[in-house]
Amino acid sequence: QVHLQESGPGLVKPSQTLSLTCSVSGGSITSGGYSWSWIRQHPGKGLEWIGYIDYRGSTYYNPSLKSRVSISVGTSKSQLSLKLSSVTAADTAMYYCARESPFGGNYMPDSWGQGTLVSVSA
Amino acid sequence: QSVLTQAPSASGTPGQRVTISCSGSSPNIGNNLVNWYQQLPGTAPKLLIYSNNQRPSGVPDRFSGSKSGTSASLAISGLQSEDEADYYCATWDDSLNGVLFGGGTKLTVL
Repeated sequence: QVHLQESGPGLVKPSQTLSLTCSVSGGSITSGGYSWSWIRQHPGKGLEWIGYIDYRGSTYYNPSLKSRVSISVGTSKSQLSLKLSSVTAADTAMYYCARESPFGGNYMPDSWGQGTLVSVSA
Repeated sequence: QSVLTQAPSASGTPGQRVTISCSGSSPNIGNNLVNWYQQLPGTAPKLLIYSNNQRPSGVPDRFSGSKSGTSASLAISGLQSEDEADYYCATWDDSLNGVLFGGGTKLTVL
């Protein structure tokens, strides 16, 4: 059973880069069959897909965030990283990492971490 | 406003059957499978229905999903107080080349 755990600073200053890590246990990020994504939820709002990285290392990002976001795999192959640059208050949200499985040929989340809350404020 | 449209709220009394709808278009629901996620208060979302109408192990058969054309539905029968949660539909979008979520429906058990 895969387990995902997000970590990172809870407070980031405007214009800085938000950096989060997702530790994955019970499965390897680089083994085939799954992709790994970041999803966020603004306070009291719905879910927004940020992007994912597949087992080959290819990345796919939400066009609305593409210019500011980077998803990568750590050297340990059991950590997923999210970097979001030039943050503003609009980036204040709960950030989730998720494992994605293929459903009809497209990857969709099937297991989620508990999430980490990030606030952007001076 | 999400491309996948859900009513913001729904309600029912214990034992009732409620239906939550999700409306999309050809590049998303029309061409792809739909998942449903349940988010209990203060917790992360959990996969409830996948591939339109399949239940993961452990999900009660009170929950069922369906899809027709560019719309999908989640039905909950024998409503229980612990079903009070936010419910999100999700699918792949061929234009976005990524995952789309509905705006979510807050289910209240009266």
